[in-house]
Amino acid sequence: GAVVSQHPSWVICKSGTSVKIECRSLDFQATTMFWYRQFPKQSLMLMATSNEGSKATYEQGVEKDKFLINHASLTLSTLTVTSAHPEDSSFYICSATFYEQYFGPGTRLTVT
Amino acid sequence: KNQVEQSPQSLIILEGKNCTLQCNYTVSPFSNLRWYKQDTGRGPVSLTIMTFSENTKSNGRYTATLDADTKQSSLHITASQLSDSASYICVVSAMEYGNKLVFGAGTILRVKS
Repeated sequence: GAVVSQHPSWVICKSGTSVKIECRSLDFQATTMFWYRQFPKQSLMLMATSNEGSKATYEQGVEKDKFLINHASLTLSTLTVTSAHPEDSSFYICSATFYEQYFGPGTRLTVT
Repeated sequence: KNQVEQSPQSLIILEGKNCTLQCNYTVSPFSNLRWYKQDTGRGPVSLTIMTFSENTKSNGRYTATLDADTKQSSLHITASQLSDSASYICVVSAMEYGNKLVFGAGTILRVKS
């Protein structure tokens, strides 16, 4: 139980385009989902906290207009990277909370 | 300064050998301390979770210890296997920040045959 999926697992997009990443809790309802970013050989950095039906709370330094988060249901949260640039290339990981945080497998984003 | 420091940064051991990874933290008060295993290109997977009142917890060949007085934790891996090659991350749940997770930088373990 407590499986979190992400889609896609990897994506390549051109600079200036937008890309959407989905995070789903497959067998439980998650009132809170978190989005993290991880650069090579670095730790996970929390980007934002997403609660179902309300606006996401962004960490300091994270541009909310660039990283759009939608938590439309108790099993789905989406992260849209708008006007992506090469420096946005990273590993994006979501987690969903059901008494405990369960992490998704991550999405590798490469912006060319 | 990172509130969760891990050592060593990386480690290479021979298959079958034991190893111990260290974690020092300054996060206080905390709800719990966790160890995760993260394979390359994958999300973290929980190994152990300990509250401040627990001293040790095991999960198969993984044994975590916690000394809340000295703010130190360790993860001991017994009889290592090639599949243990991964990054091991120490994470503290910070009560001050609404139980947000504070991540260490991880120890990269490579098990050689």
